[in-house]
Amino acid sequence: GDSVTQMEGPVTLSEEAFLTINCTYTATGYPSLFWYVQYPGEGLQLLLKATKADDKGSNKGFEATYRKETTSFHLEKGSVQVSDSAVYFCALTLQRDAGNKLTFGGGTRVLVKP
Amino acid sequence: KAGVTQTPRYLIKTRGQQVTLSCSPISGHRSVSWYQQTPGQGLQFLFEYFSETQRNKGNFPGRFSGRQFSNSRSEMNVSTLELGDSALYLCASSLGQAGDTEAFFGQGTRLTVV
Repeated sequence: GDSVTQMEGPVTLSEEAFLTINCTYTATGYPSLFWYVQYPGEGLQLLLKATKADDKGSNKGFEATYRKETTSFHLEKGSVQVSDSAVYFCALTLQRDAGNKLTFGGGTRVLVKP
Repeated sequence: KAGVTQTPRYLIKTRGQQVTLSCSPISGHRSVSWYQQTPGQGLQFLFEYFSETQRNKGNFPGRFSGRQFSNSRSEMNVSTLELGDSALYLCASSLGQAGDTEAFFGQGTRLTVV
């Protein structure tokens, strides 16, 4: 079946540090890839997405590149802020499916200290 | 425009009871998906409804059911509640095209079974 694996947290960083969260996937078809972020007490918000190999998704200083050869979609940010403290989820959906079933990784909690 | 609205936000039920959760999608969105979020299992897909029809279903027992109305609002029902059903239930709405459509999440309903 389809699955997403991401590094376990928590990841603790100082403000302005570089952030990387690793994400790899297995899929039975051609996936679209997503990063979602969940702030305390809230639902999920889409952070960025990529729909084909070598696409780069970017938003709010975050970037991730769809690497088909390594089945990866690692999230990076060059300089984190305290406000980036949240739980980050990598997810996929299969493009062949007539639907919007998202398969999520386990989530990575990020804590940025001032 | 208004986001995805889930009601109620919090719910406490007793084992053996049943519960109904409600989700109002973004205006114009025809797809509504439901997810269960627990610390142990993470985010798991329950089912998706599109134009009043169930389009996808996850691996949950038959005690979990749902429906969608003609105005795209959706309800999720859990019968014969078990302690393990305690979770955050998230609803997501989207336009309904396959693959890479962005899903917008509500804040969730936190269900506690005692």
